[in-house]
Amino acid sequence: QPVLTQPPSSSASPGESARLTCTLPSDITVGGYSIYWYQQKPGSPPKYLLHYYSASYTGRGSGVPSRFSGSKDASANAGILLISGLQSEDEADYYCMIWPSNAWVFGGGTKLTVL
Amino acid sequence: QVQLVQSGAEVKKPGASVKVSCKASGYTFIGYHMHWVRQAPGQGLEWMGWINPNNGGTNYAQKFQGWVTLTRDTSINTAYMELRGLNSDDTAVYYCARSLSGSSELDSWGQGTLVTVSS
Repeated sequence: QPVLTQPPSSSASPGESARLTCTLPSDITVGGYSIYWYQQKPGSPPKYLLHYYSASYTGRGSGVPSRFSGSKDASANAGILLISGLQSEDEADYYCMIWPSNAWVFGGGTKLTVL
Repeated sequence: QVQLVQSGAEVKKPGASVKVSCKASGYTFIGYHMHWVRQAPGQGLEWMGWINPNNGGTNYAQKFQGWVTLTRDTSINTAYMELRGLNSDDTAVYYCARSLSGSSELDSWGQGTLVTVSS
């Protein structure tokens, strides 16, 4: 199974933007997959945020604000979660996920700290 | 509203089995796949497999094939995950989560069930 690589930690200040990456292994191309993003706060189950395949095929979960958005960086073979206008409540772990071959694969997660 | 309510915490000895339940409400149970995901203490998420409650079809992660069994009881809108041959590495929170299909987003999650394996 492929391994999705996420930086273990990231930080930004309130009001700033955070750009979280999810890098796919070199043998699979990000252009061929939808990237799913989940947020998890301590002691709670994960919450579905959004998925991104392309600008015309993307969607957010119920109640997820528009300041959460997805994109891809083909040159880096990575999916991107962009959180704009950071708020203290955005401090959480963020996981990416893809469906490469009849099985779901998660990234290792990024802990986002809002300074 | 959609709710997935899981059974309570379990403490098991090495070599034992555990069966966790996930009772669904607020939607048509057979209309959504049910996934199981686990999270060891301080670690990331690990997908275990899904069951299609409509026909009982299953799809297991390669790591868990032959080791975990997913079942359901449509009369009580409940899905089950049974894990056999437990060892300390299986100490984790186990979550159920639904999706419209096997390959779509997991849009609602249970509260999690802590399974502790200890001698």
